[in-house]
Amino acid sequence: DVKVTQSSRYLVKRTGEKVFLECVQDMDHENMFWYRQDPGLGLRLIYFSYDVKMKEKGDIPEGYSVSREKKERFSLILESASTNQTSMYLCASSGEAGNYNEQFFGPGTRLTVL
Amino acid sequence: KQEVTQIPAALSVPEGENLVLNCSFTDSAIYNLQWFRQDPGKGLTSLLLIQSSQREQTSGRLNASLDKSSGRSTLYIAASQPGDSATYLCAVNPSQIPLVFGKGTRLSVIA
Repeated sequence: DVKVTQSSRYLVKRTGEKVFLECVQDMDHENMFWYRQDPGLGLRLIYFSYDVKMKEKGDIPEGYSVSREKKERFSLILESASTNQTSMYLCASSGEAGNYNEQFFGPGTRLTVL
Repeated sequence: KQEVTQIPAALSVPEGENLVLNCSFTDSAIYNLQWFRQDPGKGLTSLLLIQSSQREQTSGRLNASLDKSSGRSTLYIAASQPGDSATYLCAVNPSQIPLVFGKGTRLSVIA
């Protein structure tokens, strides 16, 4: 079974803090994704990556950056957390590079910024 | 721009009923369509993936159909159970870009 894990289930941070969300997948997938999910807005893509050290902006990249130094790990960074970044963050992965096939999701991180 | 719509937004049914969840999309140029389940506060679980060349996929009590030309997919759940209560999302895989998600249908199955 594909397993996608996220470093924290719940996280509470202060405004202005630098926040790291980590995602690891164990199926040698090429593609990895970061989404945020908010009531009424659904899932929105922040960034994705189809290869090590490669990244592409999604629909809402402002205020976020990402890092993919190893194939299995994709990190989402909030450079200076703000209250409007309070949300559920979901990581996903899928197989062949550029072939966005079946996606598998992690359990999510509920981030609260105070 | 591809858009995915799921109607209704919420549905409540008595246990044992067969039900259909609907998903429509605006651009028929897709690689595949995926149905997910999400329990409150959790991540998404993949239920079924239908490739663009397929008409349907089945897994247990779930059956998903795809009509690309009309931009529609349905998820059929047979003999619903309280454990089926969750939000169901569909997502289409357009050409060369990541999935586009609907906002989901929140299903409640009442015992």
